[in-house]
Amino acid sequence: DIQLTQSPSFLSASVGDRVTITCRASQVISNYLAWYQQKPGKAPKLLIFAASTLQSGVPSRFSGSGSGTEFTLTISSLQPEDFTTYYCQQLNSYPPDFGQGTRLEIK
Amino acid sequence: QVPLAESGGGVVQPGRSLRLSCAASGFTFSRYGMHWVRQAPGKGLEWVAVISYDGLNTFHADSVKGRFTISRDNSKNTLYLQMNSLRGEDTAVYYCVKEREGRAFDDWGQGTLVTVSS
Repeated sequence: DIQLTQSPSFLSASVGDRVTITCRASQVISNYLAWYQQKPGKAPKLLIFAASTLQSGVPSRFSGSGSGTEFTLTISSLQPEDFTTYYCQQLNSYPPDFGQGTRLEIK
Repeated sequence: QVPLAESGGGVVQPGRSLRLSCAASGFTFSRYGMHWVRQAPGKGLEWVAVISYDGLNTFHADSVKGRFTISRDNSKNTLYLQMNSLRGEDTAVYYCVKEREGRAFDDWGQGTLVTVSS
């Protein structure tokens, strides 16, 4: 199975900051990587697929990059509603597992 | 409009069975692979099972293999998860999820809570 490691697990930042979350895969997964945002008590929401393609309706302050084994999710200017948890997921092979999550908190 | 609506969760004793359902609407259900993903309280996301668009191919996580079975009825636009021999570690919110052509999980239901406890 492919392991995904997100870093950091916790991130403290302020409104307006630029932040980057990294997701590393234990094997090459080409660009078969997606990012999700999950707010407390809600289902996850797709932000980015194919490593860098923004899902329709997602604000342009979110962006993704990477290929192979290292990927990043960047939020260019944090808004109050962005302080929540983010997960990466690989879809290169089964099982399509998720990273352990990154919790973004207000500083 | 929520295109995926799970039902069937509840409290069940260890060793018993439960069947979850997911009613789909707003898209052509029979064209898409579908998944179940679960999330234990306070924990991360765990993929559970997948079924192909036509129901002919399925794959289950090792943690549920032999106990859970994913299925679908395209005539009813409904996805199922039959859960047998339930354990405490199966306690979680179970999400029904639509796959976007092998690239992402693009639509999620609101989830249904399964609690396994005596």
